[in-house]
Amino acid sequence: EVQLVESGGRLVRPGGSLRLSCAASGFTFSNYGMAWVRQAPGKGLEWVSSISSASGYIYYADSMRGRFTISRDNAKNLLYLQMKSLRAEDTAVYFCARDDVYCTSTACHDVFDIWGQGTMVTVSS
Amino acid sequence: SSELTQDPAVSVALGQTVRITCQGDSLRSYSASWYQVKPGQAPALVFHGQNNRPSGIPDRFSGSTSGNTASLTITGAQAEDEADYYCHARDTTDNHVMFGGGTRLTVL
Repeated sequence: EVQLVESGGRLVRPGGSLRLSCAASGFTFSNYGMAWVRQAPGKGLEWVSSISSASGYIYYADSMRGRFTISRDNAKNLLYLQMKSLRAEDTAVYFCARDDVYCTSTACHDVFDIWGQGTMVTVSS
Repeated sequence: SSELTQDPAVSVALGQTVRITCQGDSLRSYSASWYQVKPGQAPALVFHGQNNRPSGIPDRFSGSTSGNTASLTITGAQAEDEADYYCHARDTTDNHVMFGGGTRLTVL
């Protein structure tokens, strides 16, 4: 079964740090890009960061750049998100997702086809 | 950077057809992917590209694109289709990922 399982979410004080993990199984992890997406309470989906299959390409949303670091360990089938200088507005459910990006003759396609169940991060004093 | 624009809310009578739209310049280069989000659940991919519906998604879900506008159509909406729907594409200028603001679908 193709599966992504996040872990590491918890209550953390403002200014604190946290590392989230995402364990992949059921597919060849090293063949796919991966991404983190979050959803704050009552808000929409917000992209956080993406990483290509061999970590050669890494992108961050502007509000996370410099505070968050995405990485992966293809030998262990693990995706990480290191977060520092956390703020109350970082409170959200964080999802990892498999990111399938490809182009045809007519258009390019970016698909988050597999999602984890999410892990809750609460930033509060 | 670019953005994707969706109507905040749409309603449809049970069994009728509803179209959810997503506008953005990046849709001229990147096809839209569509996700269904129900309370307390992870997002689920329901349609992507020109004609791609993941396994297990009912065939009442379909998609199309015209110019800078992508559409998700539900033909014969069911009560279980009540959810938030998000479109997604990449920004061609900086390769960043974009989500639309989401459309809350109410099935009456």
